[in-house]
Amino acid sequence: DTGVSQDPRHKITKRGQNVTFRCDPISEHNRLYWYRQTLGQGPEFLTYFQNEAQLEKSRLLSDRFSAERPKGSFSTLEIQRTEQGDSAMYLCASSSGTSGRAGTGELFFGEGSRLTVL
Amino acid sequence: GQQVMQIPQYQHVQEGEDFTTYCNSSTTLSNIQWYKQRPGGHPVFLIQLVKSGEVKKQKRLTFQFGEAKKNSSLHITATQTTDVGTYFCAGFNAGNNRKLIWGLGTSLAVNP
Repeated sequence: DTGVSQDPRHKITKRGQNVTFRCDPISEHNRLYWYRQTLGQGPEFLTYFQNEAQLEKSRLLSDRFSAERPKGSFSTLEIQRTEQGDSAMYLCASSSGTSGRAGTGELFFGEGSRLTVL
Repeated sequence: GQQVMQIPQYQHVQEGEDFTTYCNSSTTLSNIQWYKQRPGGHPVFLIQLVKSGEVKKQKRLTFQFGEAKKNSSLHITATQTTDVGTYFCAGFNAGNNRKLIWGLGTSLAVNP
């Protein structure tokens, strides 16, 4: 399968625990995005990587959220000290946008990681 | 901050009727993309519009990008039950190509 894969697909955790999600983008894609989506809402931007560089992070994110893309390939999103309000679908997407050009290229989404915080 | 408004939020149609969703940005966009998300699924790319006034068609779907590159529309002719889902528009700000700004989506229900 050459699509975007995310793991785990589902995660149930207790409030206060840490969780980590992994995303494996399409191999030749240099752009990687993390989004959060709750029921009935559109995807909410969390952060963006171009290769291994984290170029933008939503101001809505608290310090409990951190993302990495150490070698410019897979990425991880960690949420520390989870809260019930963190319950959502966490979507990863990748694209093959070219550095320096205007935003371009479709985003390919993974199936998402659904987080439930009890 | 920049916002992308999308209307209507919900639309119920009878199979065979037409459907249109509209997208309006508070700022000029460099391009606009449309995605479809089936219930329980993830967003799937439909199309990208780049040029001012651009119109593209995909079978029964017609996409338009406004002259000012601030608005867009998606029109579906003779809806089918397979069209059910939420349609999102998303655009790159002309001054920031790093993140797509998403509309809240239009959920389409089609009665057979």
